[in-house]
Amino acid sequence: QVQLQQSAAELARPGASVKMSCKASGYTFTSYTMHWVKQRPGQGLEWIGYINPSSGYTEYNQKFKDKTTLTADKSSSTAYMQLSSLTSEDSAVYYCATGTWFAYWGQGTLVTVSA
Amino acid sequence: DIVMTQAAFSNPVTLGTSASISCRSSKSLLHSNGITYLYWYLQKPGQSPQLLIYQMSNLASGVPDRFSSSGSGTDFTLRISRVEAEDVGVYYCAQNLELIFTFGSGTKLEIK
Repeated sequence: QVQLQQSAAELARPGASVKMSCKASGYTFTSYTMHWVKQRPGQGLEWIGYINPSSGYTEYNQKFKDKTTLTADKSSSTAYMQLSSLTSEDSAVYYCATGTWFAYWGQGTLVTVSA
Repeated sequence: DIVMTQAAFSNPVTLGTSASISCRSSKSLLHSNGITYLYWYLQKPGQSPQLLIYQMSNLASGVPDRFSSSGSGTDFTLRISRVEAEDVGVYYCAQNLELIFTFGSGTKLEIK
């Protein structure tokens, strides 16, 4: 079955960067685009962008374009998202999601930005 | 960007009865190909979102047929017949007619 296993929670200082991972299994990694979604505590869902693991092509929500870098490693079926210049506004759970119409979601990675 | 609007809470419902959740988009989600690019997701407490409905009215795999969805190009309704305790959570509508995939703010299903 399709599984997306995300990396553990991160605690980061303001101004720092974090890189989280999403390891895919149970399907051909290059068959679907991998999307990332942000959820701040008690808030709704925001689409960040996606990467095509086959080509490396990316598309970003303009709101996150300067904040986020999406990459993918086909050899390990793993997608990555790096967040830079962290502020308290970046404290959130970040989900990876894939499959047609976001049928499959990871368990989320909690990022806490605090001095 | 297309804005998706939802009420924060549903009307309170009794277990075993029906519930309706509404969603409105700022632009018609009906594409010229005849597909309406509207989706419904449920986020149960402490869990990741899960897909319920795709392209406005199609039930995702494994979703009970107690769930159904309909609408026009801009106004949509998710119906849950015979509400069960496991249906509690926040329901999000979403669209991907355009490049930017946008979600509504979510509607929490209220049980009496």
